[in-house]
Amino acid sequence: TQLLEQSPQFLSIQEGENLTVYCNSSSVFSSLQWYRQEPGEGPVLLVTVVTGGEVKKLKRLTFQFGDARKDSSLHITAAQPGDTGLYLCAGQPPRAGNMLTFGGGTRLMVKP
Amino acid sequence: NAGVTQTPKFQVLKTGQSMTLQCAQDMNHNSMYWYRQDPGMGLRLIYYSASEGTTDKGEVPNGYNVSRLNKREFSLRLESAAPSQTSVYFCASSKANYGYTFGSGTRLTVV
Repeated sequence: TQLLEQSPQFLSIQEGENLTVYCNSSSVFSSLQWYRQEPGEGPVLLVTVVTGGEVKKLKRLTFQFGDARKDSSLHITAAQPGDTGLYLCAGQPPRAGNMLTFGGGTRLMVKP
Repeated sequence: NAGVTQTPKFQVLKTGQSMTLQCAQDMNHNSMYWYRQDPGMGLRLIYYSASEGTTDKGEVPNGYNVSRLNKREFSLRLESAAPSQTSVYFCASSKANYGYTFGSGTRLTVV
């Protein structure tokens, strides 16, 4: 089983602050995805990164895939209350078809 | 653009009762999945179906059965519910090398 560990588990910040969430593993993944889940809803895909070292930006969110494809980070600039939610990373193991391994999640609260 | 539809949204069962959670997708995806989400445990895969006509066990299959009725529908059955099966259940679908589309979940309480 390939495990993904996310840190921190909980994060409470003020509006306007920056933050980084980490997703780490000792295993290599073919790709890595980030999801955001709001209360009472299912996770929603934010981004997929495929190439080692790849950086993708989605407005104020920056996603990076590690060079060795074992880890990833999500950086949010100038967080807003609308960013509040549970952030999940999910890795696609090699030769596992479209199966994903999910991290435990980072629960973010952004206070106005 | 319904995506993935799960029914029911909420359910309370007594220990030993049975029920089926329904899931349907309208995106022509080949693969479908059932997860459970518990506090501190993240999303754990119960069963999946890589394509119509196939099903396989995931990480936590005990106490559950599934049926891939056709390409659109993938149901999850609890034959004899136990309090340990109290959880939020999510169905998801995907096509090859793309991300998952999740339903909005079924909140199940077993008393």
